[in-house]
Amino acid sequence: DVKVTQSSRYLVKRTGEKVFLECVQDMDHENMFWYRQDPGLGLRLIYFSYDVKMKEKGDIPEGYSVSREKKERFSLILESASTNQTSMYLCASSPTGKNYGYTFGSGTRLTVV
Amino acid sequence: KNQVEQSPQSLIILEGKNCTLQCNYTVSPFSNLRWYKQDTGRGPVSLTIMTFSENTKSNGRYTATLDADTKQSSLHITASQLSDSASYICVVSRKDSGNTPLVFGKGTRLSVIA
Repeated sequence: DVKVTQSSRYLVKRTGEKVFLECVQDMDHENMFWYRQDPGLGLRLIYFSYDVKMKEKGDIPEGYSVSREKKERFSLILESASTNQTSMYLCASSPTGKNYGYTFGSGTRLTVV
Repeated sequence: KNQVEQSPQSLIILEGKNCTLQCNYTVSPFSNLRWYKQDTGRGPVSLTIMTFSENTKSNGRYTATLDADTKQSSLHITASQLSDSASYICVVSRKDSGNTPLVFGKGTRLSVIA
């Protein structure tokens, strides 16, 4: 069964902390994505990567960075967490090609206090 | 601007009843449209995918329709069950997207009550 695994379901961090959200996929997909999801706003793209060591900014990259050192792993980094980064974070992956959908992870609910 | 609009924002129906969710898009050039189901606290899971030439596609009690001329899609749920309570998200991809991310709607929150 193919999977996208996010390392934590729930996280509580303090303002100013550096936060790492990890995502691993076992499908050999080229593309990986990080979204945040907030009520009334839907999914908003933070960063994506279409190859190892490659990254592209999404719609809301401010306050975030990413790392993709290996094909299967895509990390989202909050350099200095703030309360407005409290959200549900979703990782997804897809193979290259126009008709392939995304496979999503189960999400990480991050609360910054 | 590439956008996907869904309606209604939320919906409450009685168990056993049918319902229809709407999706309008302005994404161009169009490649395909997907419906995802997202249970509370979980990641979205794909229900259907429809390409330009497909008008209807079913997945069990879920039937999706696509009118590429009017740029509208609907998701019809038959004989609803309590487990259908979830958010349903319409997602459209562009023909030239390749690796470019998809365009997401904000979702319809469906609550099925006994």
